[in-house]
Amino acid sequence: GNSVTQMEGPVTLSEEAFLTINCTYTATGYPSLFWYVQYPGEGLQLLLKATKADDKGSNKGFEATYRKETTSFHLEKGSVQVSDSAVYFCGGGGSNYKLTFGKGTLLTVNP
Amino acid sequence: DAMVIQNPRYQVTQFGKPVTLSCSQTLNHNVMYWYQQKSSQAPKLLFHYYDKDFNNEADTPDNFQSRRPNTSFCFLDIRSPGLGDAAMYLCATSRNRVQPQHFGDGTRLSIL
Repeated sequence: GNSVTQMEGPVTLSEEAFLTINCTYTATGYPSLFWYVQYPGEGLQLLLKATKADDKGSNKGFEATYRKETTSFHLEKGSVQVSDSAVYFCGGGGSNYKLTFGKGTLLTVNP
Repeated sequence: DAMVIQNPRYQVTQFGKPVTLSCSQTLNHNVMYWYQQKSSQAPKLLFHYYDKDFNNEADTPDNFQSRRPNTSFCFLDIRSPGLGDAAMYLCATSRNRVQPQHFGDGTRLSIL
C-alpha cells in the first residue's frame, strides 16, 4: 500500500532561518502530493499541492517540488516567521479516496 | 466564509453516553470524510461518503457510525463512547476522490 515518510522533528528555528522538512512517498503509480498545515487547536489547511512529476507547488513562501526520481516532496521556505509555527503534514492521494499522511512535523519558530 | 463547519468545537460526554458530532459544508462537494486525530498523531480516516454511498474503513470500530442526510450535512455518531475515543474529530470534503480535501476546524471530544 501507499506510505508517506516525513521528518518527524520537532524542528526549532530562529526567525528568518531556512526551513526544509523532508517527505518521501511509496505508492503504486504516481499519486498527487500535498502539504497540509495544522495550527494549534485547528483543522488541517491545504498549504500546497502537486499532481505530477516536476510540478512545483507554492504558497505563502513555501515551496515543494514533486521529484519522481527520488520519490520526494520536500517542503522548503527561505525565511520562516514566528507565525509559521505549526504542525506540517505531508500527504499523498491517488485515484482512490484515501489521503495517506506522514506522522507530522512540529515546527517552532522563535523570535 | 468558513466552508467546512464543525459543531460544536468542544464536546464533553459521559462514558457510554451516545454523542453526535456535526459537519456542514458550503462547497457542494461530493465527498465528505470523518477522521479521528489523537494527540501528536496524523489524522486517521474512519469513513467517507461519496454522495450517498457510504464507505467504511476496515479498522473503524462498530461503535462509530455516520449519516449523511443531504449534500451539505454529515454526522458522526458514537454509540457508546469509551475513554479511548477522546480525540479531535475532523470532517473534510473534496469535490471528488482525487481532489484536495478541505478540513473543518474539528471537534475536540472529551469523555468523563
